This record gives sequence, C-alpha cells and structure tokens, in this order.
Amino acid sequence: EAGVTQFPSHSVIEKGQTVTLRCDPISGHDNLYWYRRVMGKEIKFLLHFVKESKQDESGMPNNRFLAERTGGTYSTLKVQPAELEDSGVYFCASSQDYFGRGLSGSYEQYFGPGTRLTVT
Amino acid sequence: SQELEQSPQSLIVQEGKNLTINCTSSKTLYGLYWYKQKYGEGLIFLMMLQKGGEEKSHEKITAKLDEKKQQSSLHITASQPSHAGIYLCGADANAGGTSYGKLTFGQGTILTVHP
Repeated sequence: EAGVTQFPSHSVIEKGQTVTLRCDPISGHDNLYWYRRVMGKEIKFLLHFVKESKQDESGMPNNRFLAERTGGTYSTLKVQPAELEDSGVYFCASSQDYFGRGLSGSYEQYFGPGTRLTVT
Repeated sequence: SQELEQSPQSLIVQEGKNLTINCTSSKTLYGLYWYKQKYGEGLIFLMMLQKGGEEKSHEKITAKLDEKKQQSSLHITASQPSHAGIYLCGADANAGGTSYGKLTFGQGTILTVHP
C-alpha cells in the first residue's frame, strides 16, 4: 500500500511569488492534515480536512495560505504571496478516522516525507 | 493550548545500551503518538497510546503512557545505529476526551548511537 506522498520535495522561490504544494493521502483515508515546522520550532498543526470539508483550520497563519481538497482525494496548499517567514518543512498526514469521533477506523496519522520550502 | 516537553533534547549512547526518552504534558494526555524522523525524511509512525498505564512494544522499542503523571516514556533496549534519528511525541490537542485529530508535538529528541 502506497504511503502519503508529497510534491515537490523541495521548492525555492522568491519573496512575493506563489507556491502550491500537493499531498496525496493513503487511499481510503478520509482525514487529511497539514502541518509545518519552521526552523528551530516544533511541528505545528495547520488544518484538518474530513473528505473535502475543512474540519479545523485554526492553525492557518493568515489569509496568504489557502488549502483545498476538491473531491476529497488529494489536497493542495497554496501560499500567495510567499514571505520569508513561510520557509520551513510542510508535512501532510492522513488517517482513517480521528480520536473521539466514535467510529471504528484507525486514528493513527501517517505522515508524508514533507516539502521543504525556502523563500529567499 | 497543550504543550509537550521532551527530555532529553539530545542523547548520545554506545551501541547496545538502553535508553529512555520522556514526554511530559501540561494537560491530561488522551492520545499520545510516538514518531521517528530521519534527517530529510518524513515522520515514521511508531506507536499510539490511549489509556492510562497502557504499554506497547514493537521490536526493541517500548512506549508507556502514565495518565496520572501526564507523561509518556519511550524505551529502547540494546540500541543499534539504526535507531538513530529524531524521536517526536505528539498528542491530541483537545484534552477534554474528544479530539478532532489536531496533534501538538514536542520539540523532539535527537538520538545518536555510536557503533
């Protein structure tokens, strides 16, 4: 079974440009999450999709970040315009279910390899 | 918000030695995840603990959740160079017993194992 995949693995852009990151979750996982780690900090939650709906977007830093999951399959995270402080590693994760929902699916979140974004 | 404190921040051991990494929460832990990361790679899921006193093992790695102490420990027996990497604990952010999948992470423990 294929794991979570992310594209690209690295991206270097200039301040003010736009970048779109893509995540393909494990097949059959309704839940998709975005996280990021900026230099020297902990991994921070950005948002959570359940199928195509945003369950929780409390971690999105500002309106320069736009996440979509049309059709409930893959997801994209667009940063427009990019700023220097957006540099970091963006991780995507997926799970069958989430803790507390009361269904029988697995809560385990499986992470992709991440996209390293550098804004210069 | 829930904060997770990991200790130690880094650890250097000789191959064959046992070691323990701790993860302490400011709030009661209801779902605790352990991950391992190698440089430049994604997070590899190790184990998830949900109940107080729960203990799980996989090969030479054992994790335990002590709900009363709001702490989890990860123990590696007879460490090998392949165990080297960054170990991260993550927890469901909602401490009210229900969660929506939002994980909070500790800062990580860097493990080096010398042959």
